[in-house]
Amino acid sequence: EPEVTQTPSHQVTQMGQEVILRCVPISNHLYFYWYRQILGQKVEFLVSFYNNEISEKSEIFDDQFSVERPDGSNFTLKIRSTKLEDSAMYFCASSPLGGGGTDTQYFGPGTRLTVL
Amino acid sequence: SQQGEEDPQALSIQEGENATMNCSYKTSINNLQWYRQNSGRGLVHLILIRSNEREKHSGRLRVTLDTSKKSSSLLITASRAADTASYFCATGYNQGGKLIFGQGTELSVKP
Repeated sequence: EPEVTQTPSHQVTQMGQEVILRCVPISNHLYFYWYRQILGQKVEFLVSFYNNEISEKSEIFDDQFSVERPDGSNFTLKIRSTKLEDSAMYFCASSPLGGGGTDTQYFGPGTRLTVL
Repeated sequence: SQQGEEDPQALSIQEGENATMNCSYKTSINNLQWYRQNSGRGLVHLILIRSNEREKHSGRLRVTLDTSKKSSSLLITASRAADTASYFCATGYNQGGKLIFGQGTELSVKP
């Protein structure tokens, strides 16, 4: 069964460094998302992406964050200058909505980002 | 806030018993989805129910939705130790839009 994959599974970085988190959504899906979960807290929406542009973003998704779909398969989240409070599990998700697909969002296994 | 609370926050039961988790929300929704998360792992999609549906079943899972009360419940019948996980409801407000997650219910099923 197709799955959303994410790399790396764990990323450790120094405060102020740039990180890129990578995701490969399910191949025929049209909507892509990033969420994060700070340890012990609920999952929070960051950004959604459709038709090669951001369709919605949260207050968390400030100028330090950017997303890109550089080719037909990858979907990346870049944090330009990491802060301690960016430490969290970052989840990528995709949805087949469009062409008769459903709203179900399928999540990847996550990347645990630790900022020191 | 668009999302309310889930209750209980934690639930401990014996294997074979049924587990019921509740979720409330504050504004009209397009759909509501339930997810399971094993400790430190990813989110596994369980079931989606649309705003015009009242009940859905999938295996040992039964989800109900009461839009008049803005609430949903997830029932897991004949629970197993492997069902031990955190369960989250997430509400969708428009097609392709973001999901708003609740705080989750931590379920522990003792063998």
